[in-house]
Amino acid sequence: AQSVTQLGSHVSVSEGALVLLRCNYSSSVPPYLFWYVQYPNQGLQLLLKYTTGATLVKGINGFEAEFKKSETSFHLTKPSAHMSDAAEYFCAVNGGGFKTIFGAGTRLFVKA
Amino acid sequence: DADVTQTPRNRITKTGKRIMLECSQTKGHDRMYWYRQDPGLGLRLIYYSFDVKDINKGEISDGYSVSRQAQAKFSLSLESAIPNQTALYFCATSDLKTGSQETQYFGPGTRLLVL
Repeated sequence: AQSVTQLGSHVSVSEGALVLLRCNYSSSVPPYLFWYVQYPNQGLQLLLKYTTGATLVKGINGFEAEFKKSETSFHLTKPSAHMSDAAEYFCAVNGGGFKTIFGAGTRLFVKA
Repeated sequence: DADVTQTPRNRITKTGKRIMLECSQTKGHDRMYWYRQDPGLGLRLIYYSFDVKDINKGEISDGYSVSRQAQAKFSLSLESAIPNQTALYFCATSDLKTGSQETQYFGPGTRLLVL
């Protein structure tokens, strides 16, 4: 069985500051891990994903995430926040089958 | 044009009414899903379909039914709507054939309010 825990339902950063959104997962099989972003009044869109290979994954809009098996984590980072990054972010895990489990989401606020 | 479309985008209905939400996709994917999103709960799977003849219940299927009319169309029905079905509903598609490891592609959502 898989599960996902996102630490912090809301995160607020200043424009230009580091963005760090935390995600921990559990999976009985090697997982595929995803970050999706949801902008206001839109559906979710893929930000980045980890399948196999390099543990540091780069995504769109300057985001990246690192798969750390020993810590069962897949935290999302961006060195410098932009106002346009304000959105809700979802971490998700898939055990190689049909079912993807989504976290509860973290809403990112960016202050000018 | 969007790859995954949902209609209507917003709907207000009354308790006890039957309502249908529709989803269409032009991605050519075999797999389609219906989720509901509630604040603080993330996305929960209602139903999923691997092809036209294969429909399966998700974790919260009670009170819902679906129809896969064609590869491109997957409808969700609330037979008798109740207020706790007020939520944001998403349709999604995926395609394992391309080796995409279950990346899902979402529609824009339908916001449903049941009074």
